[in-house]
Amino acid sequence: AQSVTQLGSHVSVSEGALVLLRCNYSSSVPPYLFWYVQYPNQGLQLLLKYTSAATLVKGINGFEAEFKKSETSFHLTKPSAHMSDAAEYFCAVSERLRGAGSYQLTFGKGTKLSVIP
Amino acid sequence: DSGVTQTPKHLITATGQRVTLRCSPRSGDLSVYWYQQSLDQGLQFLIQYYNGEERAKGNILERFSAQQFPDLHSELNLSSLELGDSALYFCASSEDVRTTGNTEAFFGQGTRLTVV
Repeated sequence: AQSVTQLGSHVSVSEGALVLLRCNYSSSVPPYLFWYVQYPNQGLQLLLKYTSAATLVKGINGFEAEFKKSETSFHLTKPSAHMSDAAEYFCAVSERLRGAGSYQLTFGKGTKLSVIP
Repeated sequence: DSGVTQTPKHLITATGQRVTLRCSPRSGDLSVYWYQQSLDQGLQFLIQYYNGEERAKGNILERFSAQQFPDLHSELNLSSLELGDSALYFCASSEDVRTTGNTEAFFGQGTRLTVV
């Protein structure tokens, strides 16, 4: 089974500083990888996804992530943090299930990002 | 708006009771997933249905069950509720990857269950 490890359950950055949220995965096959964001009292929203087309993936709200196969990593970055980025971020890997047509997402434990004014 | 609708948004019930959570997936999505999110356990996969058939089971208790109906909406039934079942329950849906190649899931806003 595939698994996802997110380093750091809480990360604090100053407004305008670089955001770096770490994600490592384990997978025996080329993975589909995702970053989701969850704002307080809301559901999870897809930020970006990696599907092997390009190793550097751009998402919404200025976030991007780089797939590094040699490091089995898919870290999320944003050059300049904004107050509105304060949320919880989840890394996920997609695993094909038995039978056609369906996949299962396995999530990391999440990283809560705080942005300090 | 993800297109996934969950009802109700909030539910308060007593221990020992039974509740039903409802999910309407995005139009055209065949897969429905249920997740439980709690402070101590994080986001836990419960169960998945694809076009009416159960496809995968995660950490779902025997007191919990789910089904997906012919119109593709799904219900999660929680019975003999305990205090520890208090959590956010999310439904997500995804496309048929065979036709679109897309494997990401789209989440509803969740149902917050409080057991008192």
